[in-house]
Amino acid sequence: SSELTQDPAVSVALGQTVRITCQGDSLRNYYASWYQQKPGQAPLLVFYGENNRPSGIPARFSGSSSGNTASLSITGTQAEDEADYYCSSRDNTVNHVEFGGGTKLTVL
Amino acid sequence: QVQLVQSGAEVKKPGASVKVSCKSSGYSFTNYAIYWMRQAPGQRLEWMGWINAGNGITKYSQRFQGRVTFTRDTSASTAYMELRSLRSEDTAVYYCAKVGNSDEFDPWGQGTLVTVSS
Repeated sequence: SSELTQDPAVSVALGQTVRITCQGDSLRNYYASWYQQKPGQAPLLVFYGENNRPSGIPARFSGSSSGNTASLSITGTQAEDEADYYCSSRDNTVNHVEFGGGTKLTVL
Repeated sequence: QVQLVQSGAEVKKPGASVKVSCKSSGYSFTNYAIYWMRQAPGQRLEWMGWINAGNGITKYSQRFQGRVTFTRDTSASTAYMELRSLRSEDTAVYYCAKVGNSDEFDPWGQGTLVTVSS
């Protein structure tokens, strides 16, 4: 199966833009989904597919994909965006799913 | 609204089994699959497999094949995950999630902490 790789930690100044990336061979064939997880809480879907943001998720969250890399961008990052972010996609074995290792976002 | 509510925390001894429930509401239960994931302390999310809530067909991650069973009760809109032969490494928060049309998981259950300790 493929593996999804994320940077373990990223920091961003309050109000600035940050990009969180996810790399893996499966991303050449499948779109990523992105999840925000705060301590003690279940993951929350924040972006998925080609260009989909769930109802209730602020417009500052957006996603993109190119080759084997998917990206989640947060424009005008807020303090409440500090969390762990995970990507997921199908892997190259149909009907299996992979998760990235997660990126801890710190808002300075 | 669409909601998944899981059963409460469990403490088990090594070698025992645990069964976690995931009750769905707010949508047609049999039209979607339920996925199961787990997250050990400080670790990444790990996919365990899925069950088609309509026909009961299951798919398991090879890591858990032979040790895990997914079932569902359509009359109760509830999915179940049973993990057997527990060992300390199975200590984790177990999550269920509804899968959408683009392989996205939304929503997730609140999680069930399973602690395996002698």
